[in-house]
Amino acid sequence: EAQVTQNPRYLITVTGKKLTVTCSQNMNHEYMSWYRQDPGLGLRQIYYSMNVEVTDKGDVPEGYKVSRKEKRNFPLILESPSPNQTSLYFCASSFSGTGNWEQYFGPGTRLTVT
Amino acid sequence: EDQVTQSPEALRLQEGESSSLNCSYTVSGLRGLFWYRQDPGKGPEFLFTLYSAGEEKEKERLKATLTKKESFLHITAPKPEDSATYLCAVEEGGSTLGRLYFGRGTQLTVWP
Repeated sequence: EAQVTQNPRYLITVTGKKLTVTCSQNMNHEYMSWYRQDPGLGLRQIYYSMNVEVTDKGDVPEGYKVSRKEKRNFPLILESPSPNQTSLYFCASSFSGTGNWEQYFGPGTRLTVT
Repeated sequence: EDQVTQSPEALRLQEGESSSLNCSYTVSGLRGLFWYRQDPGKGPEFLFTLYSAGEEKEKERLKATLTKKESFLHITAPKPEDSATYLCAVEEGGSTLGRLYFGRGTQLTVWP
């Protein structure tokens, strides 16, 4: 089954404790992207990657890191989480050649930083 | 300033009552405009891509249209299962490939 998986689905952590949210896709997509969704603000792009070893900043990259060492994986790293990073996070992937951005989204990771 | 503005924020329709959702954008040189549907607690689901003014796409009761500065998502004779948040996104022509801007969404409720 074609899918994007994220882990963990729910996470409660404390300020400053480094964490990683994993994202994996099994569709051989070149493009992957991370978003955060907050009430009243909609989806905002954090980082995206057009292919292995290629990443770019989106709207709100501050406080986040990403890496793309393999085509299927695109982990999101919070080196020192703060309460303002409490949010719902989505990973997405797509073929990039056609430009139609038919993105497949993961189920989301709800992060709470206390 | 938001590059993408969706209206209304929320819309309640009776089953069978057709209506339209609006997505206006301020980016210059649109590369593409995209519509997604999001159910509560789930990730968005892709609906349509539109590339140029005058283009239309249809899927079941949904039809998306594009003009030079806005897009409409027309919902004909909606059913309760069409209830969801509809998201619009754009890719700007002058920006890096893959840089997407989303609107805040329109929450649609269709009651029987």
